[in-house]
Amino acid sequence: DIQMTQSPSSLSASVGDRVTITCRASQSISSYLNWYQQKPGKAPKLLIFAASSLQSGVPSRFSDSGSGTDFTLTISSLQPEDFATYYCQQSYSTPYTFGQGTKLEIK
Amino acid sequence: QVQLQQWGAGLLKPSETLSLTCAVYGGSFSGYYWTWIRQPPGKGLEWIGEINHSGSTNYNPSLKSRVAISVDTSKNQFSLQLSSVTAADTAVYYCARGRNGPTYYYMDVWGKGTTVTVSS
Repeated sequence: DIQMTQSPSSLSASVGDRVTITCRASQSISSYLNWYQQKPGKAPKLLIFAASSLQSGVPSRFSDSGSGTDFTLTISSLQPEDFATYYCQQSYSTPYTFGQGTKLEIK
Repeated sequence: QVQLQQWGAGLLKPSETLSLTCAVYGGSFSGYYWTWIRQPPGKGLEWIGEINHSGSTNYNPSLKSRVAISVDTSKNQFSLQLSSVTAADTAVYYCARGRNGPTYYYMDVWGKGTTVTVSS
């Protein structure tokens, strides 16, 4: 299985901050990398797919860079509704695997 | 707008079989992979497996001996069965729609989740 490692596991930030979350794959996954946002008690929501494509309706303050094994999710200016847990997921090969999550909290 | 509605038993005893169903409303059933994911309390997400409208399946090897995903195209529904459950199978179970293309695969529509607790 491909292992996905996110860092940090948790992060405190303020509204308006720029934050980055990194995701590393245990082998190359090309651009088969997706990002999801999950709020407490809710299903995950797709933010970005194929490493750089913004899902319809997702604000442009979310972006991703990377390919191969290293990826970075950036939120350019945090908004109150962005405080949540973020997961990366590889879809290069089954079993599709997720990172352990990054919990973004209000400072 | 596509919606997924899921249901099934929420409380099981050890050794019983988990059974969940997910219905697809408002969109095409063919051309997608229909997926199950679970999330133990306070933990991350685990992909269980998927099925397409033709019935072709892929399973997580960690669960393969106990899992079966089936499809009923006449009802636009797909189902998950997980046998011989233990407390370790306690989780929120989600159904989701998987979309694939030449350079991508992602899950873009999710059900609300069903909490399944295994306890004697």
